[in-house]
Amino acid sequence: SQKIEQNSEALNIQEGKTATLTCNYTNYSPAYLQWYRQDPGRGPVFLLLIRENEKEKRKERLKVTFDTTLKQSLFHITASQPADSATYLCALPLGGSQGNLIFGKGTKLSVKP
Amino acid sequence: SQTIHQWPATLVQPVGSPLSLECTVEGTSNPNLYWYRQAAGRGLQLLFYSVGIGQISSEVPQNLSASRPQDRQFILSSKKLLLSDSGFYLCAWREMIDTQYFGPGTRLTVL
Repeated sequence: SQKIEQNSEALNIQEGKTATLTCNYTNYSPAYLQWYRQDPGRGPVFLLLIRENEKEKRKERLKVTFDTTLKQSLFHITASQPADSATYLCALPLGGSQGNLIFGKGTKLSVKP
Repeated sequence: SQTIHQWPATLVQPVGSPLSLECTVEGTSNPNLYWYRQAAGRGLQLLFYSVGIGQISSEVPQNLSASRPQDRQFILSSKKLLLSDSGFYLCAWREMIDTQYFGPGTRLTVL
């Protein structure tokens, strides 16, 4: 069955540095991958979607890469700020017309001033 | 613009009591709707999804049930809560490109 892993439960970095989060998947060839941000006690918020034919996508200080050979996506936040502290989830489609997603457990990012 | 509401925001219930959580969506028609549970230290677990009124699919066998009495209303229920039902319950709707938009969630504690 499909498996999705975010292999860092937590990541601590200094303000101004680039945060890099990893999402790996197995038994799977997804057409796209999504990244969400979740703050404590809140629902996840959609950030970016990258399709299988896109190597890289950017949105302001965010950059996502998608390597279908390695079955991996990297999520970068450049010039990180304390306000970027949150849990970041990657998600993949399960296929079918229902639009169901499978989510990773998330990586909790803490940016220290 | 679309808005998704959930209530209550927090709930403390004794074991064996019933449950009813409500989710409503505004600003969209015939959305796909989802119920997730997020337990402490665990990822999002899809519980139910619905592609239309009265159409419910269950992903995980359990003592929970879901109903969709109206196009933009999704209800999660239980007749008798278990301790293991504690968690953060999230409702979501799906946009055309498979992006999901989540509600604010309900924190359920079963004692």
